[in-house]
Amino acid sequence: ELKVEQNPLFLSMQEGKNYTIYCNYSTTSDRLYWYRQDPGKSLESLFVLLSNGAVKQEGRLMASLDTKARLSTLHITAAVHDLSATYFCAVDRDYKLSFGAGTTVTVRA
Amino acid sequence: ETGVTQSPTHLIKTRGQQVTLRCSSQSGHNTVSWYQQALGQGPQFIFQYYREEENGRGNFPPRFSGLQFPNYSSELNVNALELDDSALYLCASSGVGESYGYTFGSGTRLTVV
Repeated sequence: ELKVEQNPLFLSMQEGKNYTIYCNYSTTSDRLYWYRQDPGKSLESLFVLLSNGAVKQEGRLMASLDTKARLSTLHITAAVHDLSATYFCAVDRDYKLSFGAGTTVTVRA
Repeated sequence: ETGVTQSPTHLIKTRGQQVTLRCSSQSGHNTVSWYQQALGQGPQFIFQYYREEENGRGNFPPRFSGLQFPNYSSELNVNALELDDSALYLCASSGVGESYGYTFGSGTRLTVV
């Protein structure tokens, strides 16, 4: 059974500082996704990582994938309040997603 | 290009009742997956439909069933509702190819009382 572990589960960020969310998974995967979810809302796709060494960046967010270590990271640069949300990684194997428990991010002034 | 539409947005049912949730897939997508997200947890895979056939199922009992129609829209049916079925139900449509990805609908919030 594919297991996906995220840490930390809760992250209180100070505006302007940098932080990293980690996503470990237990078996080989086809693709890895990062999603954002605002309270009571659906999932917004942030990144899809297809291969080892893949790095993608959008604004203050950067995601990377190390398939040998079975690890993906989501790096947040200079946190701002708008980034407050829950972030999920999801591993795609055989076109079925297994999600981590999510990291709830709160950005404070 | 239309997105994924789910209906209804909210629903309250009594334990033991049956419910049907609906999902219309994004244009050009032929696969629909359903996920259950309990409060404070990550989504859990229920099942997937491809070309009107079930194409994989997660750890959910048979009282969770589904359909996919020729236009690739889909239904999720849950019989004999239990209190633990209260959750956000998300539908995701997807296609094939290099740009493979999932488009999620806005979800149906089901409350079982």
